[in-house]
Amino acid sequence: GAVVSQHPSWVICKSGTSVKIECRSLDFQATTMFWYRQFPKQSLMLMATSNEGSKATYEQGVEKDKFLINHASLTLSTLTVTSAHPEDSSFYICSARGSANEQYFGPGTRLTVT
Amino acid sequence: QQQVKQSPQSLIVQKGGISIINCAYENTAFDYFPWYQQFPGKGPALLIAIRPDVSEKKEGRFTISFNKSAKQFSLHIMDSQPGDSATYFCAASYPGADSWGKLQFGAGTQVVVTP
Repeated sequence: GAVVSQHPSWVICKSGTSVKIECRSLDFQATTMFWYRQFPKQSLMLMATSNEGSKATYEQGVEKDKFLINHASLTLSTLTVTSAHPEDSSFYICSARGSANEQYFGPGTRLTVT
Repeated sequence: QQQVKQSPQSLIVQKGGISIINCAYENTAFDYFPWYQQFPGKGPALLIAIRPDVSEKKEGRFTISFNKSAKQFSLHIMDSQPGDSATYFCAASYPGADSWGKLQFGAGTQVVVTP
């Protein structure tokens, strides 16, 4: 099946710094990518939807200035957590949707802010 | 406010037994209902999915039962194996090109299959 990768798989950063997470669709073109956040022992919560070449759409309660999303190509979307704080520590998961509406999740990125 | 309610929170089943997880939704506009399996530290993987015009779908040991009038759907895992021990999430999605893929997830069910 199609593969979606994320990089890095885990990252530790200091409070106040920014960290970028990449999501790539490896063998199909993703017209749309979604970013989810999952806290330990909890469900996945949709953060935002990004379409290639346009601004991301954020879910209610998600700070768009804090979670910067860029979808510059049909195979790459990035999520930048700006001025990270310990409460941003979470598991960030992307999913990619292809032209035939197939959807695949990435393996996730574990962010720990110290 | 969770739009998809999932139960139970956890489940222990013996090897060879049947695991049953239930979900309920309120919004009748949902038109796509997938189930995902997630192992610790990994992204979710699609198991099986159903649309409201079908009452049951079976793929291998996994079966979805869908009750449109009751706004409920369930996952049955037959002949449960220790390798099935994972967290299972139900989800729902709205129709339309702009909404497809924007999943509303249930709270998850941790399934443990004992040998």
